[in-house]
Amino acid sequence: GIQVEQSPPDLILQEGANSTLRCNFSDSVNNLQWFHQNPWGQLINLFYIPSGTKQNGRLSATTVATERYSLLYISSSQTTDSGVYFCAVVDRGSTLGRLYFGRGTQLTVWP
Amino acid sequence: NAGVTQTPKFRILKIGQSMTLQCTQDMNHNYMYWYRQDPGMGLKLIYYSVGAGITDKGEVPNGYNVSRSTTEDFPLRLELAAPSQTSVYFCASSAQGNEQFFGPGTRLTVL
Repeated sequence: GIQVEQSPPDLILQEGANSTLRCNFSDSVNNLQWFHQNPWGQLINLFYIPSGTKQNGRLSATTVATERYSLLYISSSQTTDSGVYFCAVVDRGSTLGRLYFGRGTQLTVWP
Repeated sequence: NAGVTQTPKFRILKIGQSMTLQCTQDMNHNYMYWYRQDPGMGLKLIYYSVGAGITDKGEVPNGYNVSRSTTEDFPLRLELAAPSQTSVYFCASSAQGNEQFFGPGTRLTVL
């Protein structure tokens, strides 16, 4: 199956700082999603972004499908941003929508 | 809309016991999925369904069974629980394999 690598694995920030999380994938994709898993374990949809750029408040994401990577930007970090951020993709040959997940970036934001 | 709901939230089983994890969605999605998440890892696909009466295996199906008698419900059955099945289980749904939406998860411990 398609390989998904996320970096960095861990990130520690002070409140107010900006950050960039990266997701590389090994093959062409139909779909790409970014999730935030909060400290209670819930998976929250952030972006559905197979290509292009989207913004939602302090968060934005860019996927460059031809170069097989996606970036998640977090500006003016808040303590509530803490948790694990997952990138997940659906390979281009799939009609089933099966997601392949990376191992995540653990983000800790200190007050 | 409640979205994707899962019950129970937590469960402790003894080795060899059986149980069913319930999953229901009210978005009229055809596609439904079961994933498991082991500590420090991303999610892996157990089983999926593309419509009522149609199910198939994912990446890690051993020890599990599913059924899909209605569009809304997709229960996951563990027949003979083993310690290796200790994990967090997530159910998800999507319309035609597009953006997936996840339930809150079931945390299962097998002792």
